[in-house]
Amino acid sequence: GAGVSQSPRYKVAKRGQDVALRCDPISGHVSLFWYQQALGQGPEFLTYFQNEAQLDKSGLPSDRFFAERPEGSVSTLKIQRTQQEDSAVYLCASSLARTSGSQKTQYFGPGTRLLVL
Amino acid sequence: TQLLEQSPQFLSIQEGENLTVYCNSSSVFSSLQWYRQEPGEGPVLLVTVVTGGEVKKLKRLTFQFGDARKDSSLHITAAQPGDTGLYLCAGGSQGNLIFGKGTKLSVKP
Repeated sequence: GAGVSQSPRYKVAKRGQDVALRCDPISGHVSLFWYQQALGQGPEFLTYFQNEAQLDKSGLPSDRFFAERPEGSVSTLKIQRTQQEDSAVYLCASSLARTSGSQKTQYFGPGTRLLVL
Repeated sequence: TQLLEQSPQFLSIQEGENLTVYCNSSSVFSSLQWYRQEPGEGPVLLVTVVTGGEVKKLKRLTFQFGDARKDSSLHITAAQPGDTGLYLCAGGSQGNLIFGKGTKLSVKP
């Protein structure tokens, strides 16, 4: 389809393992966002890319979290040495632009549900 | 810190009833958005309100933005089981979205 896709949809990791979550944004979308959604909560902002540049990473909870978008399209969120508190749904969203009227509408992927045991 | 508080947190009603969900903040937002999220899916945008006092209608859903642009409400008329889901409000902040915790709505047939 033409929407935002994420993989894997589900990931179970043992505490201490590294994980990599992938996001394929809508083709042509300049802006890409990562959010973390804990159970029973609303999504919380993690980081933002404009093309390949990571312009805002203020929401990343620790230095174990790292995101990249090397060619300005696909993005990967990596979590090193996972902890139980990292268990959540990780949502990716993309938009045509960040601040320009209707072009800033964010379209969300289905998320990756991460469970750290 | 900008926060959005939603109420109620949970709502269980019978088909045909009306309901209102509230989204409140102490901060002014340039725009507020309402999303609906179903289990296993990402949030889907329902509406964006920009002007204080603005009212938008989407079939049986009516959205209102407060005059001071600090609060918003979502009213559903004659709720149907298909309306079941998590309703999230989100405020624009420098391009990022700040979400409320959501209202989990269950409409029983």
